[in-house]
Amino acid sequence: DTAVSQTPKYLVTQMGNDKSIKCEQNLGHDTMYWYKQDSKKFLKIMFSYNNKELIINETVPNRFSPKSPDKAHLNLHINSLELGDSAVYFCASSRQGRTTNEKLFFGSGTQLSVL
Amino acid sequence: DAKTTQPTSMDCAEGRAANLPCNHSTISGNEYVYWYRQIHSQGPQYIIHGLKNNETNEMASLIITEDRKSSTLILPHATLRDTAVYYCIVRAGGATNKLIFGTGTLLAVQP
Repeated sequence: DTAVSQTPKYLVTQMGNDKSIKCEQNLGHDTMYWYKQDSKKFLKIMFSYNNKELIINETVPNRFSPKSPDKAHLNLHINSLELGDSAVYFCASSRQGRTTNEKLFFGSGTQLSVL
Repeated sequence: DAKTTQPTSMDCAEGRAANLPCNHSTISGNEYVYWYRQIHSQGPQYIIHGLKNNETNEMASLIITEDRKSSTLILPHATLRDTAVYYCIVRAGGATNKLIFGTGTLLAVQP
């Protein structure tokens, strides 16, 4: 079974639309993350949740809203999509995010293309 | 911003050891050195991390200099499947897992 799974793998949509990316982890981890990898391949953290509580919120437009219904899921909803949102979005998880040096497990990514 | 400097790319012959250097001259006493890699079209994969002592696991070895200003990731017997971008990251212990990725080193393993 895939440890960190994201859906969909590919997402093609028009500017102005609203879309969601789902992420689930079956590792029993407490902390989940969203990272964005742009066209220049830079990986940047966007958000992190620990046991459904937001603990990292980088400078991300408020069109991006993460939602964690339980600690195994962290979904990313994006409103009013813009061309610059085109990127690969990676979900990740770790056992704990606050005080330990746990390694991160990443999903395989969602390629978002905004036309 | 990333606190590490890595060569942009390196080549290695299949079956030989791959030695990937990383400079982190401004590393603080409580910061760990992490290595991740990203194979094309996949998510990053954890390799190894260390604080002061050299570390070894089933994937690689990590050699950290005594002054901790640089480190080397060693893949003892590189295979074609090790072709990937390798990221060296420093991160403070006790903080949230805010990994800041730099540009990494593209390791090309040649047959």
